[in-house]
Amino acid sequence: GAVVSQHPSWVICKSGTSVKIECRSLDFQATTMFWYRQFPKQSLMLMATSNEGSKATYEQGVEKDKFLINHASLTLSTLTVTSAHPEDSSFYICSAPPGGRGNEQFFGPGTRLTVL
Amino acid sequence: GNSVTQMEGPVTLSEEAFLTINCTYTATGYPSLFWYVQYPGEGLQLLLKATKADDKGSNKGFEATYRKETTSFHLEKGSVQVSDSAVYFCALKGSSNTGKLIFGQGTTLQVKP
Repeated sequence: GAVVSQHPSWVICKSGTSVKIECRSLDFQATTMFWYRQFPKQSLMLMATSNEGSKATYEQGVEKDKFLINHASLTLSTLTVTSAHPEDSSFYICSAPPGGRGNEQFFGPGTRLTVL
Repeated sequence: GNSVTQMEGPVTLSEEAFLTINCTYTATGYPSLFWYVQYPGEGLQLLLKATKADDKGSNKGFEATYRKETTSFHLEKGSVQVSDSAVYFCALKGSSNTGKLIFGQGTTLQVKP
């Protein structure tokens, strides 16, 4: 199947700093990528849809100025957590569907963010 | 809005036991239904899916049938192995073309030898 990578796999930062997480589709192009947040022992919550060539679409209740998404190319989307605080600590997961948003999504391994 | 509810875990079974993980959903229209599995330290992988009522998805000995009358998509396996220990997520994708997945809360399965 298609491969999606994330970098870094884990990051620890100080409160008030910004952190960038990358999501790459390694062997296919993705015009759409999805960003999820997973709390311990809880479900994945869709945060936003990343669209190549246009603005991201955020889910209700997600602060777009807090979680900046940039779909830089057909193989790369980045999520920047700005002015991070301890409550932003979580597991962030991206996914990408080859060939369009209606197709099967392939998931990255996730990034563990810890804000001190 | 659309939602998915899974049975709470963890579920602990002995090897070769029968597995059922319940999943029910609420959705308008005709959603597609999925089971994903997350092995320790790995990303989510699609386990099986069903796109219309009465469809049965199957893979690696796991099965689930799309029951519209009971709005359910229960996951079953006749004989689990230690290697099946993982977190299982039920999910749906609505009939609109956004591609968005709505996940259940996940069920941890532990299989003991």
